[in-house]
Amino acid sequence: QVQLVESGGGVVQPGGSLRLSCAASGFTFSSYGMHWVRQAPGKGLEWVAFIRYDGSNKYYADSVKGRFTISRDNSKNTLYLQMNSLRAEDTAVYYCAKIGIAVAGTRGFDDYWGQGTLVTVSS
Amino acid sequence: DIQMTQSPSAMSASVGDRVTITCRASQGISNYLAWFQQKPGKVPKRLIYASSSLQSGVPSRFSGSGSGTEFTLTISSLQPEDFATYYCLQHNSYPLTFGGGTKVEIK
Repeated sequence: QVQLVESGGGVVQPGGSLRLSCAASGFTFSSYGMHWVRQAPGKGLEWVAFIRYDGSNKYYADSVKGRFTISRDNSKNTLYLQMNSLRAEDTAVYYCAKIGIAVAGTRGFDDYWGQGTLVTVSS
Repeated sequence: DIQMTQSPSAMSASVGDRVTITCRASQGISNYLAWFQQKPGKVPKRLIYASSSLQSGVPSRFSGSGSGTEFTLTISSLQPEDFATYYCLQHNSYPLTFGGGTKVEIK
């Protein structure tokens, strides 16, 4: 079965850095684009970033552009999110997700989400 | 970037009620709009994609409609398991953007 397992969250001071990982199994990781989505405590969902199956294209939310970098290692079936210059407003649960809809797409495949990893930015 | 505005932000309803949630886009997004349901402590579950296409396994009491800038999610007869927060997501272009959410509570 499909599994996505995030790791790397924790407490970091403002201005600090953190790298999140998402280990994928149960599907051909190298064939699918992957997303990061976050949710601040008690707040709504915020899309963060997307990377194409081969890493050739990456897209970011304006709120993280220039500070966060999404990447992947298809040989390790692992997705990453490098987070630099962290701010208090980056505090959230970060989910990696295989979302089964494409931009401007009309087909819907199954979604898979990890359980999330909590990042807390605080001094 | 495309902004998504949901209304209402919260509502109370009874089992059996017909519930309608609206999502408005700041610019036209054709029919590239998805709806997600999230229950406390759980990951989001997608109900609808491309405005009106029901995701496999989702009950038929859920339906979506709209195109351009205005979209609706309708629950024809609210069930106890439907009390949750609902989010729209535009999948017309990057960056993807979620609406602010609509919490459906028990009246």
